[in-house]
Amino acid sequence: DQQVKQNSPSLSVQEGRISILNCDYTNSMFDYFLWYKKYPAEGPTFLISISSIKDKNEDGRFTVFLNKSAKHLSLHIVPSQPGDSAVYFCAASASASGTYKYIFGTGTRLKVLA
Amino acid sequence: KAGVTQTPRYLIKTRGQQVTLSCSPISGHRSVSWYQQTPGQGLQFLFEYFSETQRNKGNFPGRFSGRQFSNSRSEMNVSTLELGDSALYLCASSLDPLGTEAFFGQGTRLTVV
Repeated sequence: DQQVKQNSPSLSVQEGRISILNCDYTNSMFDYFLWYKKYPAEGPTFLISISSIKDKNEDGRFTVFLNKSAKHLSLHIVPSQPGDSAVYFCAASASASGTYKYIFGTGTRLKVLA
Repeated sequence: KAGVTQTPRYLIKTRGQQVTLSCSPISGHRSVSWYQQTPGQGLQFLFEYFSETQRNKGNFPGRFSGRQFSNSRSEMNVSTLELGDSALYLCASSLDPLGTEAFFGQGTRLTVV
């Protein structure tokens, strides 16, 4: 049972345009969400997070939107740059669980075309 | 400060053997989690340790085990290796309490032949 889903395995975007990566979750106990970026042969690096008390968090070119009623979050990258080409994972955790356990989606491979 | 260090980076083992992977967290981080990444499966949670105690465990067979030492370094062990255990094993460290991000190491690429 995949509690965190990234239904688009890949996405291609032209340089300078907006990239929108989507993530859906099923567990209503999740209250903290993160996005990680992963290059080949490297570990995932943290990008941005959002708590369930917010519906938007912005950090430079990256903005994460959370729609709790739809159990959906999205990562917007504006403007997209070739260096953004990587696999993006969304992850969720439930603070009520009392432990540090992330549930990850299967990832979306973003390719930014120059 | 130094990031999360995982050793070895690459490993080739034969079916039936056992393997131990090591993770040194960021200095001051007391929580260490382990994940398995395979194509099409994303990152799957193995277990999490805090102060030498396993706090949570994912849905993996008992062949997968781990431990954490008093200096927060962690090891994971896989016994009786199977071909399907071939994967990238990632370790992440974090400060406690919850609500902060985890920092990942570069991973150990295990190939079982």
